[in-house]
Amino acid sequence: KAGVTQTPRYLIKTRGQQVTLSCSPISGHRSVSWYQQTPGQGLQFLFEYFSETQRNKGNFPGRFSGRQFSNSRSEMNVSTLELGDSALYLCASSLGAGRDYGYTFGSGTRLTVV
Amino acid sequence: DAKTTQPNSMESNEEEPVHLPCNHSTISGTDYIHWYRQLPSQGPEYVIHGLTSNVNNRMASLAIAEDRKSSTLILHRATLRDAAVYYCILRDRTGANNLFFGTGTRLTVIP
Repeated sequence: KAGVTQTPRYLIKTRGQQVTLSCSPISGHRSVSWYQQTPGQGLQFLFEYFSETQRNKGNFPGRFSGRQFSNSRSEMNVSTLELGDSALYLCASSLGAGRDYGYTFGSGTRLTVV
Repeated sequence: DAKTTQPNSMESNEEEPVHLPCNHSTISGTDYIHWYRQLPSQGPEYVIHGLTSNVNNRMASLAIAEDRKSSTLILHRATLRDAAVYYCILRDRTGANNLFFGTGTRLTVIP
């Protein structure tokens, strides 16, 4: 079966612009999470959606937002980009919510802000 | 977030077993122990998880200490494809469905 698909794979944006990243979870998975990975901070949780509702949010500024559609696809948006937003953004999906479920990650979107 | 402690790096010879340790002395009774790994240029990959009993799957085995304060991920025969950063993660009962990734253990497999 198809895995978690993230588009685009690579993106270059200018400081001050905004960007939207897309994630298509595994068919049947209702939970979608987003993570940011940088060399300095490692993997950090951004937010998690389940059945179109944001259930949990990490410690990121309000410039980072997301949403989930009825088909479980998710998008995250970053407004007013800063150089420090350059990172690998990873999406993960899970069949259900709760601590007994594993997550399947996509390959990520590499965002470079110049 | 409940914390885990892992060695920064480990080495193994190809085709030998690898035991990756993880300490989680503050684990609570209902915390699940999850392991993920991240190969170069890829997103993290789920490996295995357990609660109290040892667990086996096609990728690895998870041995959990009787007091649950530590666990060990066992790769039975390391291959070059197993070279990755391995993360030991506790998932707690707060309902916060996020994974707290620490620094993990970088496994190097020597041919």
